[in-house]
Amino acid sequence: NAGVTQTPKFRVLKTGQSMTLLCAQDMNHEYMYWYRQDPGMGLRLIHYSVGEGTTAKGEVPDGYNVSRLKKQNFLLGLESAAPSQTSVYFCASSYPPLAGWSYEQYFGPGTRLTVT
Amino acid sequence: QKEVEQDPGPLSVPEGAIVSLNCTYSNSAFQYFMWYRQYSRKGPELLMYTYSSGNKEDGRFTAQVDKSSKYISLFIRDSQPSDSATYLCAMLGYGGATNKLIFGTGTLLAVQP
Repeated sequence: NAGVTQTPKFRVLKTGQSMTLLCAQDMNHEYMYWYRQDPGMGLRLIHYSVGEGTTAKGEVPDGYNVSRLKKQNFLLGLESAAPSQTSVYFCASSYPPLAGWSYEQYFGPGTRLTVT
Repeated sequence: QKEVEQDPGPLSVPEGAIVSLNCTYSNSAFQYFMWYRQYSRKGPELLMYTYSSGNKEDGRFTAQVDKSSKYISLFIRDSQPSDSATYLCAMLGYGGATNKLIFGTGTLLAVQP
């Protein structure tokens, strides 16, 4: 099993450009998440999904959109990139919390995004 | 004030030392407490978890939760250079049905051979 994979691994954007980050998981997890990690700020939740076709806002959703058209994929979009969105982005997935001990989130390797 | 506070370090110790990593939190509704380990340029991975107060041991690692003080700790015995990583505490936030974790900022640990 590949676990959680993220595409691309690195990207440099100019201000105002758009892009989509792709997350894929092969563990049949219902829940998927997008985080950003910045120095001194830790991991902050951007958006999450509790199932195919559903999405919800996290702690820092502004400037981002998401879609979950297939259970195994979770896409994060930046419509008009800003320098403040320079960060490392992590995708994660998990089972629903009612399925026994299932609070473990499995993380991908991250995407390093720089916006100039 | 952040819900979860964690000293960012860096913490540098010699091989074989006992390491103590700590987090404090403000929300008394937190019930599940986790420690994630993150190697450089990798994603975090779950190291240990505990429910409510008490201790849990796994090999060289011990997780401790003191809910009365809103304080959690991770102890690493006989630390190894391979333990060098960032350690993030995480707690399950209210709205538990949505499985939203609240993370500390992480402590960078370097174990010197």
